[in-house]
Amino acid sequence: GAVVSQHPSWVICKSGTSVKIECRSLDFQATTMFWYRQFPKQSLMLMATSNEGSKATYEQGVEKDKFLINHASLTLSTLTVTSAHPEDSSFYICSASTGKRQPQHFGDGTRLSIL
Amino acid sequence: TQLLEQSPQFLSIQEGENLTVYCNSSSVFSSLQWYRQEPGEGPVLLVTVVTGGEVKKLKRLTFQFGDARKDSSLHITAAQPGDTGLYLCAGGGPSGAGSYQLTFGKGTKLSVIP
Repeated sequence: GAVVSQHPSWVICKSGTSVKIECRSLDFQATTMFWYRQFPKQSLMLMATSNEGSKATYEQGVEKDKFLINHASLTLSTLTVTSAHPEDSSFYICSASTGKRQPQHFGDGTRLSIL
Repeated sequence: TQLLEQSPQFLSIQEGENLTVYCNSSSVFSSLQWYRQEPGEGPVLLVTVVTGGEVKKLKRLTFQFGDARKDSSLHITAAQPGDTGLYLCAGGGPSGAGSYQLTFGKGTKLSVIP
């Protein structure tokens, strides 16, 4: 149980392109979803927290206009990296939980490479 | 800012040996999770500890939460090649944005040599 699916797993695109990443909870309802970024040889850094039906809460230093988060249903959240540039290249990972303090179940991540 | 220091960063041992990974902070966490992450994949939850002094066992893995809820350890007995991976600790608590977040350590990369 508690399976989280992330898609796509790997994206390579040109600078200036917008990229959408999907995060789905397959067998449970995720009232809260989290988006993380992980640079090589570094740990996971929380970007934002989203609750179904409300605006995402962004961590300090994360541009909300650049990283658009939508959590329209209890099983789907999307992260759109707008006008991506090479410095946005990273491993993006989502997690989902049934509540703020409940265990987080992680997707397999999306490797984003901007040329 | 809450920080979690993990040690050692890298560990290479022979199959059958025992090892301990440490996770330390100056901050108190309401919970502490241990994850294992394979290259190119997301972290997989191993255990959650919430009570100071709590000890949990998962087969050959023993997890301990410090009495003050500031530190934790992961002990692996008789390590096997299948234990190879990146082990991450994460402390749960309020975030700077007023939400609830996991603060991750940088991880311990474990290699078990057959």
